[in-house]
Amino acid sequence: EAQVTQNPRYLITVTGKKLTVTCSQNMNHEYMSWYRQDPGLGLRQIYYSMNVEVTDKGDVPEGYKVSRKEKRNFPLILESPSPNQTSLYFCASTAGGSGNPYEQYFGPGTRLTVT
Amino acid sequence: DQQVKQNSPSLSVQEGRISILNCDYTNSMFDYFLWYKKYPAEGPTFLISISSIKDKNEDGRFTVFLNKSAKHLSLHIVPSQPGDSAVYFCAASAYGAQKLVFGQGTRLTINP
Repeated sequence: EAQVTQNPRYLITVTGKKLTVTCSQNMNHEYMSWYRQDPGLGLRQIYYSMNVEVTDKGDVPEGYKVSRKEKRNFPLILESPSPNQTSLYFCASTAGGSGNPYEQYFGPGTRLTVT
Repeated sequence: DQQVKQNSPSLSVQEGRISILNCDYTNSMFDYFLWYKKYPAEGPTFLISISSIKDKNEDGRFTVFLNKSAKHLSLHIVPSQPGDSAVYFCAASAYGAQKLVFGQGTRLTINP
């Protein structure tokens, strides 16, 4: 089954404690992105990656890091989480080349609470 | 600056009637528009899209209309069914960009 998986699905942590949210896709997609969803703001892009070792900032990159060492994986790293990073996070992937470059497949989401 | 706006946070429609969800955008560089549907505890799923070279795209009960001069698009669902109750996000992209800009979402409730 084609899918994007994220782990963990729920996470409660404290300010300053480094954490990583993993994302993996099994569709051999070139493009992957991270979004956060906040009430009244919709989904905002944090970082995206066009291929292995190629990443770029989205609209709200501050406080986040990403890496793309393998095509299937795109982890989101919060080196020193703060309460304003409490949010619902989605990973997404998109086929490049002959696929529809705009249709993104989303993971189920990770609800993060930083106290 | 919100480049894609969905001004109605919620919409309630009777089952069997038409649901119309609206979306406005400000960036004239956007040339591809999408609608996503989101159920609670799930990620958004792609619903329908339209290129700026068209003004209408239809897929079963779902039709998207694009009015470029007004920078406005709408999603029509006919007839509306209870399973259509979800949050709908409008999104836009500029040519060649992998970046999607999303609206705030509209919660659609279909009443029996």
